[in-house]
Amino acid sequence: NAGVTQTPKFQVLKTGQSMTLQCAQDMNHNSMYWYRQDPGMGLRLIYYSASEGTTDKGEVPNGYNVSRLNKREFSLRLESAAPSQTSVYFCASRDGRAGGYEQYFGPGTRLTVT
Amino acid sequence: GEDVEQSLFLSVREGDSSVINCTYTDSSSTYLYWYKQEPGAGLQLLTYIFSNMDMKQDQRLTVLLNKKDKHLSLRIADTQTGDSAIYFCAERFDTGNTPLVFGKGTRLSVIA
Repeated sequence: NAGVTQTPKFQVLKTGQSMTLQCAQDMNHNSMYWYRQDPGMGLRLIYYSASEGTTDKGEVPNGYNVSRLNKREFSLRLESAAPSQTSVYFCASRDGRAGGYEQYFGPGTRLTVT
Repeated sequence: GEDVEQSLFLSVREGDSSVINCTYTDSSSTYLYWYKQEPGAGLQLLTYIFSNMDMKQDQRLTVLLNKKDKHLSLRIADTQTGDSAIYFCAERFDTGNTPLVFGKGTRLSVIA
């Protein structure tokens, strides 16, 4: 049982390049989330998916797109990377039903845009 | 509105108690959480408390909730160097899929 996995762990991009961050969970959770973490800013929600087939914007969605490929996988795409997107990106999942208390986090992807 | 506030830094001596504080603004919160983030890692759930509880204890951890003042605290007894990390307070508003709202995190430094 791997929990939440993210690939890649590290990535360096040039301004304007595109890439997709991958996330998968093996806990059969309904809800999945993408956050970014910046110094002094805490965790900010980019997008989330309450269930397979739905996605919603979070606090900072501009410059990102997401795909809930199936129940297990939720990807985050940067179409044209900018230096302001240099950050650590965390994927998370949660059961989503009443009693689904814990939100599980992946280990993060450290992205640098030059 | 949804807002969770925490002080950014706390420094304590090894063996002392640490108290990390959090205030939230939405009285409709149903669950409140404490997460721990060690350097270079993701967040791990430490403990949570239902909004109808005042206190929860789990080994060295004590969570106190004052709903009137919208104040949550995490006390770590006998703080160890391994407790050095960033601690995040988070709130949740219903029993469904609503995302958690996180504070900015408190960096705890434990001095040997």
